[in-house]
Amino acid sequence: DIQMTQSPSTLSASVGDRVTITCRASQSITNWLAWYQQKPGKAPKVLIFKASSLESGVPSRFSGSGSGTEFTLTISSLQPDDFATYYCQQYNSYPLTFGGGTKVEIK
Amino acid sequence: EVQLVESGGGLVQPGGSLRLSCAASGFTFSSNDMHWVRQATGEGLEWVSGIGTTGDIHYIDSVKGRFTISRENAKNSLYLQMNSLRAGDTAVYYCAKKVWGAGMDVWGQGTTVTVSS
Repeated sequence: DIQMTQSPSTLSASVGDRVTITCRASQSITNWLAWYQQKPGKAPKVLIFKASSLESGVPSRFSGSGSGTEFTLTISSLQPDDFATYYCQQYNSYPLTFGGGTKVEIK
Repeated sequence: EVQLVESGGGLVQPGGSLRLSCAASGFTFSSNDMHWVRQATGEGLEWVSGIGTTGDIHYIDSVKGRFTISRENAKNSLYLQMNSLRAGDTAVYYCAKKVWGAGMDVWGQGTTVTVSS
């Protein structure tokens, strides 16, 4: 199984900050990676697919990069609505696997 | 409106069974891979099972032999038959639609499964 490791697990930031979350795969997944945002009590929402493609309707302050085993999600200017937990997911092979999550908190 | 609505969750004793359902609307159900993802309270997301448009099926190891995923395209419905339930299966179960090459772009609201005596 492919293990997905996210860092950090918690991140404290202020509105307007540039935020970067890292996801590492235990083996190459080429670019078959998605990023999700989840708020308490709600279902996840896809932000990025295929490592760097922005899902329709998602603000352009979100961006993704990387390939192979190293990936990043960047929020260029953190907004109040962005305080949430973020997960990466590989869909290169089954079983599909998620990272452990990164909680973005208000500093 | 594109929508997924889960049902069938509840409280069940260890060793018991439940059948989850997911009703789809607003998109061509038969043309999409469908998945179940679960989340225990305070924990992260865990993919459980998926079924493709051609009927190919996959499971996480911990549910193999106990859970069965199925779909009924004529009814725009996805199912998860869960047998021999364990305390560790306690979670919110989400169904999700996935387009080939992209992420899971539509999720249901989730249904809660609690396995306890």
